[in-house]
Amino acid sequence: GQQVMQIPQYQHVQEGEDFTTYCNSSTTLSNIQWYKQRPGGHPVFLIQLVKSGEVKKQKRLTFQFGEAKKNSSLHITATQTTDVGTYFCADSGGSNYKLTFGKGTLLTVNP
Amino acid sequence: DSGVTQTPKHLITATGQRVTLRCSPRSGDLSVYWYQQSLDQGLQFLIQYYNGEERAKGNILERFSAQQFPDLHSELNLSSLELGDSALYFCASSYWASGRDTQYFGPGTRLTVL
Repeated sequence: GQQVMQIPQYQHVQEGEDFTTYCNSSTTLSNIQWYKQRPGGHPVFLIQLVKSGEVKKQKRLTFQFGEAKKNSSLHITATQTTDVGTYFCADSGGSNYKLTFGKGTLLTVNP
Repeated sequence: DSGVTQTPKHLITATGQRVTLRCSPRSGDLSVYWYQQSLDQGLQFLIQYYNGEERAKGNILERFSAQQFPDLHSELNLSSLELGDSALYFCASSYWASGRDTQYFGPGTRLTVL
């Protein structure tokens, strides 16, 4: 079945540094959703990307969908301690009803 | 607060036992999804119900079953529990059945099998 690979698995940064997590697939992704899960919390929806080459911004967060719809990225500019958590991408796959999640990137931020 | 409720918050039980996890979706949502989150497997989709009917199945074991009731709440039944079933179980809800919908996750039930 569809597999979504996410890298890196972990990322530790100093507060103020930038952070990027990447989501890749060997097959074409239908739509990409991004979720954030704080430590001890539950996944919270951030955004959905649908179109090839789409770029969306939410304050310091920039989300991109690749031209071939086989990859996506989330970039955080000037990280803050509130950005700590695991960021997941998920493919909301075609005619399927389910979300296929990547394994997530755990971001820790040193103040 | 997502509006999705799950009970209990924590559950500790022994191998071989059976447990029931409960989920109430957000008001107005018709779809309920169940996920298992473990350290090594990440978030795994188990099953989805839409308006009382099973809509999609993921990597759900035969020992596990679920249902959605007329009031739209859902229960996930786990039987013949094994140590490897220890995990966080999340329920999520959305209005439509499509995977494109935003899913709102509940706080989860942490299951520990001893």
